[in-house]
Amino acid sequence: EAQVTQNPRYLITVTGKKLTVTCSQNMNHEYMSWYRQDPGLGLRQIYYSMNVEVTDKGDVPEGYKVSRKEKRNFPLILESPSPNQTSLYFCASSPRGVPTKNQPQHFGDGTRLSIL
Amino acid sequence: QKEVEQDPGPLSVPEGAIVSLNCTYSNSAFQYFMWYRQYSRKGPELLMYTYSSGNKEDGRFTAQVDKSSKYISLFIRDSQPSDSATYLCAMSGFGNYGGSQGNLIFGKGTKLSVKP
Repeated sequence: EAQVTQNPRYLITVTGKKLTVTCSQNMNHEYMSWYRQDPGLGLRQIYYSMNVEVTDKGDVPEGYKVSRKEKRNFPLILESPSPNQTSLYFCASSPRGVPTKNQPQHFGDGTRLSIL
Repeated sequence: QKEVEQDPGPLSVPEGAIVSLNCTYSNSAFQYFMWYRQYSRKGPELLMYTYSSGNKEDGRFTAQVDKSSKYISLFIRDSQPSDSATYLCAMSGFGNYGGSQGNLIFGKGTKLSVKP
């Protein structure tokens, strides 16, 4: 089954404690992306990767890091989390950058992070 | 600029109604236009995709893009309670808008409720 898997699904942690949210896809997609979703602000892109070892900033990259050492995995790293990073995070993948009806962007089920 | 404007609603309609959802944007470099549907506690799923101007129909859904007015629409015919979800428009492009083909810009989403 084609899927994007995020872990953990829920996390409550404290300011400054480094954390990593993993994302893995089993569709051999080249493109992967991280978003955060906040009430009243919608879905905003954090980082994206067009292929292995190629990553680019989205609209809200501050405070986040990513890496793409292999095609299937695209972890999101918060080196020193702060309360303003409390949000719902989604990872997504697609065969190429812009999705089409025949090559849609698949989203994970989300990771809810609470930074106290 | 990358701004995409979308009325957040909520929008409540009776079953069987025609629903019209809209987004406006300011940057003429956008070329790819998408509509996503997001159910509660799930990731967004791609509904419709259009490249440049024109209409696209898929079952009860019709997407329209008017690049001259920088306006896109999604119409849902014979709406069903199962259509109750948040609908997000998204755009991408290439050129001088500050992003690249992989940088998707989302609207804030419109919450739709279809009453039986």
